[in-house]
Amino acid sequence: GQNIDQPTEMTATEGAIVQINCTYQTSGFNGLFWYQQHAGEAPTFLSYNVLDGLEEKGRFSSFLSRSKGYSYLLLKELQMKDSASYLCAVQTGANNLFFGTGTRLTVIP
Amino acid sequence: GAGVSQSPSNKVTEKGKDVELRCDPISGHTALYWYRQRLGQGLEFLIYFQGNSAPDKSGLPSDRFSAERTGESVSTLTIQRTQQEDSAVYLCASSLRRNGDYTFGSGTRLTVV
Repeated sequence: GQNIDQPTEMTATEGAIVQINCTYQTSGFNGLFWYQQHAGEAPTFLSYNVLDGLEEKGRFSSFLSRSKGYSYLLLKELQMKDSASYLCAVQTGANNLFFGTGTRLTVIP
Repeated sequence: GAGVSQSPSNKVTEKGKDVELRCDPISGHTALYWYRQRLGQGLEFLIYFQGNSAPDKSGLPSDRFSAERTGESVSTLTIQRTQQEDSAVYLCASSLRRNGDYTFGSGTRLTVV
């Protein structure tokens, strides 16, 4: 079976840095995605990792360790608009994308 | 089109009725996915289409669910004899290639009463 674990909720302060962790056990691995989903809206693509290491894109960075089945999403200089759910998803060898239940991030002033 | 278009955006139906949900992917995107998202939960994979290949139906929860796609165009998800447990947001996504990022539509919010 497929299993993806993320914390359910996190709270952080505006301007700070937050790290959202994701661990996975899947039957195949073709890459790991992070998506952002604001309440009532569709998920939007943030990042994709297929090789070990850190991918940086502006205020957002994503890290992958395939041997540990572990990834994190790092958000810097938090803004109020970053309050959203962050979904970790693994693309298995069977063509589809398995999602975790998401981490609801609340940014406070 | 510019994005993934889904219709209707909201659907309220009586238990036992059939519903049909539509997804119009981004032009040229060969991969199309349907997901279900219950309130406060993650996305649940339903079905995947890739070009003219046989679809991956492994996520469909029961035989009341079916989906069709002609070539690389519009897809329809049909739920027969709807049950209250089918109430959820049904999201469609398309991708240019297998390992590419997915673009999601805004979803259809289905409420079965």
